[in-house]
Amino acid sequence: EPEVTQTPSHQVTQMGQEVILRCVPISNHLYFYWYRQILGQKVEFLVSFYNNEISEKSEIFDDQFSVERPDGSNFTLKIRSTKLEDSAMYFCASIKEGINNEQFFGPGTRLTVL
Amino acid sequence: GENVEQHPSTLSVQEGDSAVIKCTYSDSASNYFPWYKQELGKRPQLIIDIRSNVGEKKDQRIAVTLNKTAKHFSLHITETQPEDSAVYFCAASNNDMRFGAGTRLTVKP
Repeated sequence: EPEVTQTPSHQVTQMGQEVILRCVPISNHLYFYWYRQILGQKVEFLVSFYNNEISEKSEIFDDQFSVERPDGSNFTLKIRSTKLEDSAMYFCASIKEGINNEQFFGPGTRLTVL
Repeated sequence: GENVEQHPSTLSVQEGDSAVIKCTYSDSASNYFPWYKQELGKRPQLIIDIRSNVGEKKDQRIAVTLNKTAKHFSLHITETQPEDSAVYFCAASNNDMRFGAGTRLTVKP
């Protein structure tokens, strides 16, 4: 069964550095999402992406964050200048069609900012 | 924006008992309500979902009820088993999905 994949599984970076988290959604899916989960806390919506543009973003998704779908398969989340509080698990998710259907989550990337 | 409240934050039951987790939401435009199970260090996994045109849905030992007027929905797990132990999240969606804070369910053998 196809799955959403994410790389790397764990990223360690220094404060102030840029990081790019990568996701490969399921191939025939049309809607893509990024979420963040700080250790022991709830899953927080960051951004949704459809038709090559952002459709919704949360208050967390400020101008330090950006998303891109550079080719037909990858979906990336970039954090320009990481802060200690960006340390979290980042999940990518995708939906085949229709915004209110099951979201398939990737395994996550654990980001540690030192 | 949408705000989802979830209770209780922890729940401990004996194997075979039922467990109930409750959520409320604030945005009356939300029309999709999934429940996710998350084991330690793993991704959230959908266990059941309900849409706003339905009041109740059941899948084996799991059921969800939705009261649109009161803006609350609940997860019911019957005949709990130790492998049901996990963190459960409710969510409400109208394009962007907002999660509750989670309930840590422990099922004691």
